[in-house]
Amino acid sequence: QVKLQESGPGLVKASETLSLTCVVSGYSISRGYHWGWVRQPPGKGLEWIVSFYHSGGTYYNPSLKSRVTVSEDTSKNHFSLNLTSVTAADTAVYFCVRQRVGSGNRFDSWGQGALVSVSS
Amino acid sequence: QAVVTQEPSVSVSPGGTVTLTCGLSSGSVSTTNYPSWCQQTPGQAPRTLIYNTNTRSSGVPDRFSGSILGNTAALTITGALEDDDSYYYCVLYMGSGISVFGGGTRLTVL
Repeated sequence: QVKLQESGPGLVKASETLSLTCVVSGYSISRGYHWGWVRQPPGKGLEWIVSFYHSGGTYYNPSLKSRVTVSEDTSKNHFSLNLTSVTAADTAVYFCVRQRVGSGNRFDSWGQGALVSVSS
Repeated sequence: QAVVTQEPSVSVSPGGTVTLTCGLSSGSVSTTNYPSWCQQTPGQAPRTLIYNTNTRSSGVPDRFSGSILGNTAALTITGALEDDDSYYYCVLYMGSGISVFGGGTRLTVL
């Protein structure tokens, strides 16, 4: 059974870069599926951020595209999110996800989430 | 960017039937949006209940069903339990790899 676990600093200063890593166990990220990130500001709804396929394309939420980069390390079976120039509006719980994109589109596995707060 | 609309809050009595809907601010939802539904209890990660409009994820009880109703996607809970008291989010695929979440519906079972 696949498991995802987020890790990273819980506090980031405004204007700096938010960095999170998702460690995947039980499934190789190079084997298939898309992988990505979803976030949820405190008391608010879910927002899809980005999805990528190993050695394939990356898809971005248009509203965040200019500030988002993702990377993967298949040797460690993990992937990472960088979000630049953060503001208080980026304070959220960040979930890493395994996703089917397109036909059968769905988020079929979720990490437990990591709260990242942006301080001024 | 497309806006996905959901009822902010809905209530149902235990044992009752309730339908939550998911629409688009401009246009109709169709099966090619591959509607999916996620359930989230506070403090927990979401889990996907329904995908591809009406396919239940493994382990999801058959009291949950999905459909297209008119120009919206719908999630129907038949015989609601207190455990179903939760937040429900629909997700629509907009093409080009882009997924959009609805604002969520707070379902109260009382």
